[in-house]
Amino acid sequence: DAGVIQSPRHEVTEMGQEVTLRCKPISGHDYLFWYRQTMMRGLELLIYFNNNVPIDDSGMPEDRFSAKMPNASFSTLKIQPSEPRDSAVYFCASSGDRAMENTIYFGEGSWLTVV
Amino acid sequence: DAKTTQPPSMDCAEGRAANLPCNHSTISGNEYVYWYRQIHSQGPQYIIHGLKNNETNEMASLIITEDRKSSTLILPHATLRDTAVYYCIVRVRSFGNEKLTFGTGTRLTIIP
Repeated sequence: DAGVIQSPRHEVTEMGQEVTLRCKPISGHDYLFWYRQTMMRGLELLIYFNNNVPIDDSGMPEDRFSAKMPNASFSTLKIQPSEPRDSAVYFCASSGDRAMENTIYFGEGSWLTVV
Repeated sequence: DAKTTQPPSMDCAEGRAANLPCNHSTISGNEYVYWYRQIHSQGPQYIIHGLKNNETNEMASLIITEDRKSSTLILPHATLRDTAVYYCIVRVRSFGNEKLTFGTGTRLTIIP
């Protein structure tokens, strides 16, 4: 399996622009997670889905952030409008829904810089 | 989820065993201990997990004390590529609580 695939790997955008990050989870996985990592706050969970339904979005910082999962093989995290403080690495992760194997596997991340 | 405590940094000589400690004194009976590591600029990588028995895989061994209040991750023959931040996480595996909550981890440096 190719693992969790994220795009773009790097993005530089101007403040006020819309940013869309994409994620393809591991095939067959029922859970999808979006994390953000900064030097100040470390790794933080933003939101996670089960069977395409958002389960916990308490980590989403504000209304500028939104996440969708239209089908089992694709999710997006959108920031509109973007601000310099949104600069971070955004990780997508996925896991299965089997009692003995629901280890969470991470993608390589999307490095976002907002100038 | 129970909180974990790890030393902020450790050094280990290349070729020696790296022993990374983790305290989780408030762990509950149904909480697992997970270890992940993050090599600079990469996504967190799963290493190993356990409930109460010691576990071993191709990457590492996990030793959990009998009272489950602490554990040790062992990298048997550390290489330079093992330099990374290592996270010890306690997690209940049940619906509605699937998330991993990361702490600050231990920055392990392998010395040539």
